[in-house]
Amino acid sequence: DVKVTQSSRYLVKRTGEKVFLECVQDMDHENMFWYRQDPGLGLRLIYFSYDVKMKEKGDIPEGYSVSREKKERFSLILESASTNQTSMYLCASSLYRVDIQYFGAGTRLSVL
Amino acid sequence: AQKVTQAQTEISVVEKEDVTLDCVYETRDTTYYLFWYKQPPSGELVFLIRRNSFDEQNEISGRYSWNFQKSTSSFNFTITASQVVDSAVYFCALSLWPYDEKLTFGTGTRLTIIP
Repeated sequence: DVKVTQSSRYLVKRTGEKVFLECVQDMDHENMFWYRQDPGLGLRLIYFSYDVKMKEKGDIPEGYSVSREKKERFSLILESASTNQTSMYLCASSLYRVDIQYFGAGTRLSVL
Repeated sequence: AQKVTQAQTEISVVEKEDVTLDCVYETRDTTYYLFWYKQPPSGELVFLIRRNSFDEQNEISGRYSWNFQKSTSSFNFTITASQVVDSAVYFCALSLWPYDEKLTFGTGTRLTIIP
């Protein structure tokens, strides 16, 4: 079974803090994704990576950056957290670029 | 641009009833994939099915069935004899094939099964 693990289920941060959300997959998948989930908006793609050190912007990249130094790990970075970044963040991975995506359990981030 | 519409925000049914979740999609492309995911209270999205645009055959998996109709741009999901464990948020999604890795999600339907 594919396992996608997000390091934290819940996080509470202060406005202006630098926040790291970590995601690890154990299936040697090439592609990894970060989504944001908000009520009434569904899931929206923030960034994705199709290889180590490669990244592409999704639909809502503003205020976020990503890092992929190793194949199995994909980090989402909020350089200076703001209250409008309070949300559920979901990481996913897939073997091929157009393929089934497997999701982690999510990190619920609150920015106060 | 692609769009997926799940008009039913919330549905409640009594256990053992059948329920259908609607999904309507928009795309100008002729090759694409459609997906259904389940998100239980634990939060993790669980993959249920993928269907490509060339295959309009309906699919049945146990109590779950899917009806894909290109003529109406719909990919509906039916649960037969619903159970409490079916309570979750269900998402329909679309990706273009073969060149677009992005999943475009609908806004989800929250299904509550009343015991």
